[in-house]
Amino acid sequence: GQSLEQPSEVTAVEGAIVQINCTYQTSGFYGLSWYQQHDGGAPTFLSYNALDGLEETGRFSSFLSRSDSYGYLLLQELQMKDSASYFCAVRVFNNFNKFYFGSGTKLNVKP
Amino acid sequence: NAGVTQTPKFQVLKTGQSMTLQCAQDMNHNSMYWYRQDPGMGLRLIYYSASEGTTDKGEVPNGYNVSRLNKREFSLRLESAAPSQTSVYFCASSRLGTSGKTRETQYFGPGTRLLVL
Repeated sequence: GQSLEQPSEVTAVEGAIVQINCTYQTSGFYGLSWYQQHDGGAPTFLSYNALDGLEETGRFSSFLSRSDSYGYLLLQELQMKDSASYFCAVRVFNNFNKFYFGSGTKLNVKP
Repeated sequence: NAGVTQTPKFQVLKTGQSMTLQCAQDMNHNSMYWYRQDPGMGLRLIYYSASEGTTDKGEVPNGYNVSRLNKREFSLRLESAAPSQTSVYFCASSRLGTSGKTRETQYFGPGTRLLVL
């Protein structure tokens, strides 16, 4: 089966940098995606890594290392509005229509 | 562009009742999905439809059925609701068939909050 593990909760202060990790066990996948979900809201797409390395989108960056079965989401210049849950997700080779999500990391940004 | 819409937003059922959750997308996407989300857990795939006319089981299909009515609409049916089906249900769509980030991006509806007593 597929397994994606994330820390359940992370706390950081406004203006700081925080890294949310995702370690996975999967037989083979196209790439690693990240989604943000505010309380009571729907998940929204943030970032995608098809290849190893860093992808930057504004204050958010995402990293993938296939050899280490590991990825992370990096949030810089934290703002209060970044308080949300963050999920990593993969789409696997053996069934390209199925997406698997991690259990999510709740980020608390404090003033 | 409304994106992905879901009805109803909230629903309370008694054990054994049936209901259908509706989902529609106006982005001309091929693939549509139904997920459930329980507290402290990620999204678990119930059923998906790769294209109009096809459906397939996800991780947790027991107790559910689906219909891909046309390219726009994908409904989820609970034939005999159970308290274990109390959850938030999200419909999503994606544009598989292209490449890279576009292919991997899923667009989610606002969710249906279901309580089964």
